[in-house]
Amino acid sequence: GIQVEQSPPDLILQEGANSTLRCNFSDSVNNLQWFHQNPWGQLINLFYIPSGTKQNGRLSATTVATERYSLLYISSSQTTDSGVYFCAVPNSGGGADGLTFGKGTHLIIQP
Amino acid sequence: DAMVIQNPRYQVTQFGKPVTLSCSQTLNHNVMYWYQQKSSQAPKLLFHYYDKDFNNEADTPDNFQSRRPNTSFCFLDIRSPGLGDAAMYLCATSAQYSYNEQFFGPGTRLTVL
Repeated sequence: GIQVEQSPPDLILQEGANSTLRCNFSDSVNNLQWFHQNPWGQLINLFYIPSGTKQNGRLSATTVATERYSLLYISSSQTTDSGVYFCAVPNSGGGADGLTFGKGTHLIIQP
Repeated sequence: DAMVIQNPRYQVTQFGKPVTLSCSQTLNHNVMYWYQQKSSQAPKLLFHYYDKDFNNEADTPDNFQSRRPNTSFCFLDIRSPGLGDAAMYLCATSAQYSYNEQFFGPGTRLTVL
């Protein structure tokens, strides 16, 4: 099956810093999602981005499908940005398949 | 707002005592998924329903079953929970195809005593 790798696994930053999280995947995909898992365990949809660039406030994401990677940018970090960030892609190219998740990046923003 | 709802949010059961977790959605999506997430791990797909068609992952234990009585509701039954089944259980929905965005409920955290 498809492999998803995220880096770095852990990241500790001071409030106000910028960060870049990376997601590599082993095969072509027709869907890629970035999630933030909050302290209560809920997965919050950040971006649905199979290709191109999107921005939402201080967050933006870029997927280069031909090179099989995606980047999540967080600017001017706030303590509420802390948590685990996952990227996920479909298990296979067709049908209503589930998602394969990377192992996540655990982000800690210190005041 | 359209959403995915899971009940209960926290469930405590005893070793071997059957338990049922529920999920409902107001998005009118064709597909509903159940994922298991153990501590400090990524979510892992257990199975999904495409309308009434059930699709089991090859490595999902037989101890886990699911029911989807209608479009809006889906249940996860754990027939004989073991200590290793303690986890967060996440329900998700999507429209018809794998390229559609998936939306997750808040999860049910299961404790097995």
